[in-house]
Amino acid sequence: EAQVTQNPRYLITVTGKKLTVTCSQNMNHEYMSWYRQDPGLGLRQIYYSMNVEVTDKGDVPEGYKVSRKEKRNFPLILESPSPNQTSLYFCASTAGSNQPQHFGDGTRLSIL
Amino acid sequence: QKEVEQNSGPLSVPEGAIASLNCTYSDRVSQSFFWYRQYSGKSPELIMSIYSNGDKEDGRFTAQLNKASQYVSLLIRDSQPSDSATYLCAVGVYNFNKFYFGSGTKLNVKP
Repeated sequence: EAQVTQNPRYLITVTGKKLTVTCSQNMNHEYMSWYRQDPGLGLRQIYYSMNVEVTDKGDVPEGYKVSRKEKRNFPLILESPSPNQTSLYFCASTAGSNQPQHFGDGTRLSIL
Repeated sequence: QKEVEQNSGPLSVPEGAIASLNCTYSDRVSQSFFWYRQYSGKSPELIMSIYSNGDKEDGRFTAQLNKASQYVSLLIRDSQPSDSATYLCAVGVYNFNKFYFGSGTKLNVKP
């Protein structure tokens, strides 16, 4: 079954404690993205990756890092989380920016 | 100015009616257009993709694209209560390898 898998689904943590949200896809897609979704603001792209070792900033990259060492994995790293990063996060993959995206189930992150 | 704009709603329609959802975009080089449905607390799921001007039909759904007016719409015929969700419009800008999403329109279909 084609899928994008994110972990964890829910996380409550404290300011400054480094965390990583993992994302893995089994569709051999080259393009992967991270989004955050906040009420009234829709989905905003944080970072995206066109292929292994190729990443670029989206519209709201501040406070986040990513890496793409393998084609299937695209982890999102918050090195020093802050309360304004409390949000619902989605990972997505696609064969290209002219193709629809497949989304993971989401990670609800609360930073206290 | 937002790249993709949608009326936040809620849009309320009675069961069996046609729901019309609209979206405008600002980037003239946008080349791919998508409608996603998102139930509360769930991930977006693709309903339709459209790439060229005109209408594209899939079951009860019709997407309409007018690139000259920078406008894309989604019609849902014979609306059902299960169609109640937030509908996200997205555009893909191929030259910049980016996607932009609208903030979504909440649709309520009343039995």
